[in-house]
Amino acid sequence: NAGVMQNPRHLVRRRGQEARLRCSPMKGHSHVYWYRQLPEEGLKFMVYLQKENIIDESGMPKERFSAEFPKEGPSILRIQQVVRGDSAAYFCASSPPYTDTQYFGPGTRLTVL
Amino acid sequence: GENVEQHPSTLSVQEGDSAVIKCTYSDSASNYFPWYKQELGKRPQLIIDIRSNVGEKKDQRIAVTLNKTAKHFSLHITETQPEDSAVYFCAAIDGSQGNLIFGKGTKLSVKP
Repeated sequence: NAGVMQNPRHLVRRRGQEARLRCSPMKGHSHVYWYRQLPEEGLKFMVYLQKENIIDESGMPKERFSAEFPKEGPSILRIQQVVRGDSAAYFCASSPPYTDTQYFGPGTRLTVL
Repeated sequence: GENVEQHPSTLSVQEGDSAVIKCTYSDSASNYFPWYKQELGKRPQLIIDIRSNVGEKKDQRIAVTLNKTAKHFSLHITETQPEDSAVYFCAAIDGSQGNLIFGKGTKLSVKP
């Protein structure tokens, strides 16, 4: 059973471009969470999704950020018109139904030039 | 919402000594408390977790204790080894939503 997969692992964007981060949960996991980690800091919750549903997006900025978890395919975190302050590591985690345990992917390190 | 405080922010011990990291939480509805270890540039890895119906849990050299009344929980690592050096994060589940709220991390250095 492959672990949580994320791609790309590293992403460089110029200010104003769009960033798309993908997360494939572990097999059998229907819950996906996205977290952001700034250098030397902890993980901050952004959004919690189940298949075709956003359950909680209270940690996600209202502008420029969006997330989806379609019926087929990976979960996508999309950042439009990136700014330097978006530079961070973005981790997704997944969990199976009816459990709290979350397993993390390797992260995508976004650098905005 | 939930708030998690973690102490200390850095901890240096000699190989073979014990290390203790403490966390407090604010939401009495939280009932799940995992600990993650993160090595530089790597993903957070779950090392142990505890639920609120249990006061202590142990897995080899690692143990976690939970005091629900005081709303604090601690990670104990015995017989530390250099490979235990990493950043450790505590977390509590947001009782109303299901996402994790993390402490700011403790950088543990184990000196040989």
